[in-house]
Amino acid sequence: EPEVTQTPSHQVTQMGQEVILRCVPISNHLYFYWYRQILGQKVEFLVSFYNNEISEKSEIFDDQFSVERPDGSNFTLKIRSTKLEDSAMYFCATLPGLGQETQYFGPGTRLLVL
Amino acid sequence: SQQGEEDPQALSIQEGENATMNCSYKTSINNLQWYRQNSGRGLVHLILIRSNEREKHSGRLRVTLDTSKKSSSLLITASRAADTASYFCAELNAGGTSYGKLTFGQGTILTVHP
Repeated sequence: EPEVTQTPSHQVTQMGQEVILRCVPISNHLYFYWYRQILGQKVEFLVSFYNNEISEKSEIFDDQFSVERPDGSNFTLKIRSTKLEDSAMYFCATLPGLGQETQYFGPGTRLLVL
Repeated sequence: SQQGEEDPQALSIQEGENATMNCSYKTSINNLQWYRQNSGRGLVHLILIRSNEREKHSGRLRVTLDTSKKSSSLLITASRAADTASYFCAELNAGGTSYGKLTFGQGTILTVHP
């Protein structure tokens, strides 16, 4: 069965450094999302992406965050200058298309900012 | 407003017992979904119930929806140790520009003792 993959599985970085989290969506899926989960807390929506542009972003998704799909396959989340509070699990999810209701989540990237 | 608040926050039962988790929400929904998350892993979609449905079954899972009370419950019957995980309800945004955005509740941590 097709699945969403994410790399790396773990990333440790120093505060102020840039990180890029990568996601390979399921082929032919049209909607892409990033969520994050701070340890022990609920999963929070960050951003949705459709037709090569952001369709919605949460208040968490400030100017330090960006997303792109540079080669038509990988979907990346970049944090320009990481903060301690960015430490979390980041999940990529995809949806086949309009009218579909089941999202497919990747296994996540655990980011630790020191 | 916060969506999808679950109770209990944690539930500990013996194998073979039933586990019931509840979720409340504050606005109108198109559908409510339940996800499972094993410790430190990604989210897996379990079941979806639409706003015009009252009850749905899938294997050992039974979900109910009461739109008058804005609440849903997930029942796992004849629980197994392998059911140990966190369970989240989530509302799907089915309209506007952020189609597919999921808003998650706090989750219930279920522990099933062998």
